[in-house]
Amino acid sequence: QAQLVESGGGVVQPGGSLRLSCAASGINFINFGMHWVRQSPGKGLEWVTFIRYNGNDKYYADSVKGRFTVSRDNSKNILFVQMNSLRPEDTAVYYCARDLVAADGTRYFDLWGRGTLVTVSP
Amino acid sequence: DIQMTQSPSSVSASVGDRVTITCRASQDISSWLAWYQQKPGKAPKLLIYSASSLQSGVPSRFSGSGSGTDFTLTISSLQPEDFATYYCQQAKNFPPYTFGQGTQLEMK
Repeated sequence: QAQLVESGGGVVQPGGSLRLSCAASGINFINFGMHWVRQSPGKGLEWVTFIRYNGNDKYYADSVKGRFTVSRDNSKNILFVQMNSLRPEDTAVYYCARDLVAADGTRYFDLWGRGTLVTVSP
Repeated sequence: DIQMTQSPSSVSASVGDRVTITCRASQDISSWLAWYQQKPGKAPKLLIYSASSLQSGVPSRFSGSGSGTDFTLTISSLQPEDFATYYCQQAKNFPPYTFGQGTQLEMK
């Protein structure tokens, strides 16, 4: 069955780095764009970054631009996000999500992982 | 960025009730809106996309309507498993995608 599993979260000091991974199974990974979406504790959802199916286009939220880098390995069905210069406000559960392109060309998130918690604290 | 505002922030209801949640966009987003359900400790689940299209596998008691700036999610007859937090998301301007702040549906 289709599944996304995130890993790599943990506790890191401000200014530190982490790399999150999202392993896909049961889907034709190479056919789909992928997103990272985060949720701060007790708060709402914030879109973070998107990478097109072939890795050629990448987009970032202003809050992470220049600090986060999204990438993917289609040979291993894995999505990554490299997070540098981490700040306390980056503390959140990070979800990877599959890109659904509707008939009208708009994009939504139709398959989500269970998330991995990143805590940025001294 | 397009701002999404949901109302109410929380609502109490009973099993069998009809529940409506509203989402308002800060500018016209045509019908480019989705609704998600999230239960505690779980990932969000896509319910509705393109304002009124039911995602595969989602029960037909969920429906969405609206266009322009005003949208609604309706649950026709609330079931015990429907108590959760609901989020809207605009898909007109990307990047970034933006979400509403959420509506918590609680048992009365």
